[in-house]
This record gives sequence, C-alpha cells and structure tokens, in this order.
Amino acid sequence: IAGITQAPTSQILAAGRRMTLRCTQDMRHNAMYWYRQDLGLGLRLIHYSNTAGTTGKGEVPDGYSVSRANTDDFPLTLASAVPSQTSVYFCASSEGTGGFRDEQFFGPGTRLTVL
Amino acid sequence: GENVEQHPSTLSVQEGDSAVIKCTYSDSASNYFPWYKQELGKRPQLIIDIRSNVGEKKDQRIAVTLNKTAKHFSLHITETQPEDSAVYFCAASIPPGNNDMRFGAGTRLTVKP
Repeated sequence: IAGITQAPTSQILAAGRRMTLRCTQDMRHNAMYWYRQDLGLGLRLIHYSNTAGTTGKGEVPDGYSVSRANTDDFPLTLASAVPSQTSVYFCASSEGTGGFRDEQFFGPGTRLTVL
Repeated sequence: GENVEQHPSTLSVQEGDSAVIKCTYSDSASNYFPWYKQELGKRPQLIIDIRSNVGEKKDQRIAVTLNKTAKHFSLHITETQPEDSAVYFCAASIPPGNNDMRFGAGTRLTVKP
C-alpha cells in the first residue's frame, strides 16, 4: 500500500517554464489538497478538490491550476513559473466529502526551486 | 476568511517537563481543529484533533483543549521526550459551503535531554 505519493521529489526550474507536480493516492479518498510550505508561514492551501470532477481555490491559488479527472490523481500545474513559487509542495488527501473535517494524509512533498 | 495565529514560534523545554502551544482563530463557524507534527524533512502527520462540540480531548501524553467562546485552542504535551522535538502546526477548518483550511505558522519544539 503506497498511500499518497508525489513526483518529482525535487526539481529546479527556469522561470517562465511550465511544470506539473503529480500526486496520486490509492486510499480511495474523496478529497485532495495542495499546500505550499514556506519557512515561517506554515502550510498554505493552494487548491482543493472535494471529489472527482470538482476543484476549488484555497488561500493562495494565483499562478496555479489543478484538475481532478479521477479519484486517484490530483496534478498541480504552474503555467509559467516565477521565483516566488520556490517552495515545498505537499499534496494531501482525506476521506471526507463536502468539507475539511477529516484527517488529512500528506504526501512526502516536492521541493521546487525556480531560478 | 479564517485567520489562525499560533504561539510561541519556538519552545524549548527540558525532558520530562510539559509543553503548551496555543492557537487562536477568527471565524466562529470553524468546527474542526487538528494538530499536526512535522519532523525535520518529513511530512506533517496528525497527532490529535478536536471538534467544536467537545471541550477537551486526550490521547496518552497529548491533550487538546478548545474554548469556543474565546476562539482559542491549545496543545498540551506532558512528560516530554526528545522524540517530541518537531514543528507542530495547529489548523482550523470551516464547514461545508466555505471549504478551506487554515494552518498556524508552526511552533518549533525542542526537548533537551
């Protein structure tokens, strides 16, 4: 049982390039989330999805897009990366539907550096 | 929207002592308050959570208290051990219809042997 996985583990990216961070869970969780973690700022929600086919904006959605074509996958795309998007990105999932009331299980994270 | 503040940002205690981390939130509609522990280089993991219909919850050496009137909740760790050293995050969620989760900025706890 893998749980929740992310790829790549780390990436160095030139500014202006497009990048997709991958997230896959095998727990059949309904809800999935993307966070960025910056020193001194904790975890900030970028986008979420309560169930396959639906997505919503979190606290810091600008510059990012997501899709949820199926239950297992929730990719995060940076259309044109900028240095301020340098961060550690965590994907998470939870059982719940319609809200954020359940335990969230986090992936191992992706360290992204935009130069 | 919800705003969560967490204090202190760093906390150092002697092994065996207690540690207390406090969070305040702004949205009175928040009803779920989890605490996550993140060890260096690792992913955050849930250690305890509390819902708004409960004032206190305990799990072995860890307890969480919630004061809805004052809009604050606290994490209490008793008999601290070196392996408790980590960054701890509080969070507050908002019911359906306003889907969002806000985390505090984190508290770095160091337990000195």
